[in-house]
Amino acid sequence: AQSVTQLDSHVSVSEGTPVLLRCNYSSSYSPSLFWYVQHPNKGLQLLLKYTSAATLVKGINGFEAEFKKSETSFHLTKPSAHMSDAAEYFCVVRINAGGTSYGKLTFGQGTILTVHP
Amino acid sequence: ETGVTQSPTHLIKTRGQQVTLRCSSQSGHNTVSWYQQALGQGPQFIFQYYREEENGRGNFPPRFSGLQFPNYSSELNVNALELDDSALYLCASSLGGLSGEQFFGPGTRLTVL
Repeated sequence: AQSVTQLDSHVSVSEGTPVLLRCNYSSSYSPSLFWYVQHPNKGLQLLLKYTSAATLVKGINGFEAEFKKSETSFHLTKPSAHMSDAAEYFCVVRINAGGTSYGKLTFGQGTILTVHP
Repeated sequence: ETGVTQSPTHLIKTRGQQVTLRCSSQSGHNTVSWYQQALGQGPQFIFQYYREEENGRGNFPPRFSGLQFPNYSSELNVNALELDDSALYLCASSLGGLSGEQFFGPGTRLTVL
């Protein structure tokens, strides 16, 4: 079975400072990993995905994440926060091998990012 | 290109009732997945339909059921509603079954009183 742990339920930063949202995963099979963002009253939007190619993944709106197999981590970063980044962020794992969980997206509990002026 | 749409936006039911939620997939997509997102939680996978057949199911009881139609739109049905069924229900469409990238709709907020 696979699981995802987002290490912080809330992160607060000032506009213009770096963002770090932490995610650890557990998977018995080779995983794909994703970060989604959810703004209030809007659907989930894909920020970026790792699917066994380059370990440093660049996404939309200046976000990037690095897959570290040895640490089973997939932390999301952004060099400079913007007010519009305030939202809830979900780390997601999907396994890519056989078994009853094949293809199912497993979400973390979410991290709420607050950006102060 | 039309994105994923869901109806209704909000719904209030009482315990024991039945509810049907609807989802129209993005143009060209043949797969629909349903998720339940309780307040303060991440979405949980309910099931997926691929070419009108159930193609994977999460840990939800049989009173959660679904359908997919020939145009690939989908319904989620929940019988014998319980208070804990109150949640945001998200639909996601994709192409090619379980491995396709999923695009999410805005969700239906269900409140059970």
